[in-house]
Amino acid sequence: ELKVEQNPLFLSMQEGKNYTIYCNYSTTSDRLYWYRQDPGKSLESLFVLLSNGAVKQEGRLMASLDTKARLSTLHITAAVHDLSATYFCAGAPDSWGKLQFGAGTQVVVTP
Amino acid sequence: NAGVMQNPRHLVRRRGQEARLRCSPMKGHSHVYWYRQLPEEGLKFMVYLQKENIIDESGMPKERFSAEFPKEGPSILRIQQVVRGDSAAYFCASSPSDRGGQFFGPGTRLTVL
Repeated sequence: ELKVEQNPLFLSMQEGKNYTIYCNYSTTSDRLYWYRQDPGKSLESLFVLLSNGAVKQEGRLMASLDTKARLSTLHITAAVHDLSATYFCAGAPDSWGKLQFGAGTQVVVTP
Repeated sequence: NAGVMQNPRHLVRRRGQEARLRCSPMKGHSHVYWYRQLPEEGLKFMVYLQKENIIDESGMPKERFSAEFPKEGPSILRIQQVVRGDSAAYFCASSPSDRGGQFFGPGTRLTVL
């Protein structure tokens, strides 16, 4: 069974600084997803990573995937308050369908 | 193109009652997934359906829970004889294919008194 572990589970960020969230997974995953969730809201898709070495960037967020190390990272550049949210990574344990989510990383950005 | 729709958004039930949660996927999406999120936790997969078929129900509790996705109409997650432990947010996601990105609905927050 695919297990997905995120760390840290809580991250207090200072505005303007850079941070990284790590997502380790236990067995082969076809693809790796990153989602953002604001309190009481649904999940917003950020990135889908499909292959080893994949790197995607959107604004201050950059995600990468190393399938050999079974590791994905979400890098935040020059954090701003609007990035405060919970970030989830999710793997796909089967060639189709269901996602296995990590526990989430709660990010709080302060001045 | 409307996103994934779920209703009701909030549902309050007393112990022993039934809860019915509805999910209308995005237009053109025939793959539906249900996930449950307990407070302060990540999402847990429950069931994966295509039109009229249950593909994977490995995450569904063996009793009281059922799901369907009829040929016409929304997908329904049904919880019979609810207990307090069923209180959670239930999210539906849809996808155009079994390997496509999943788009999540706003969720139904179930509270069992």
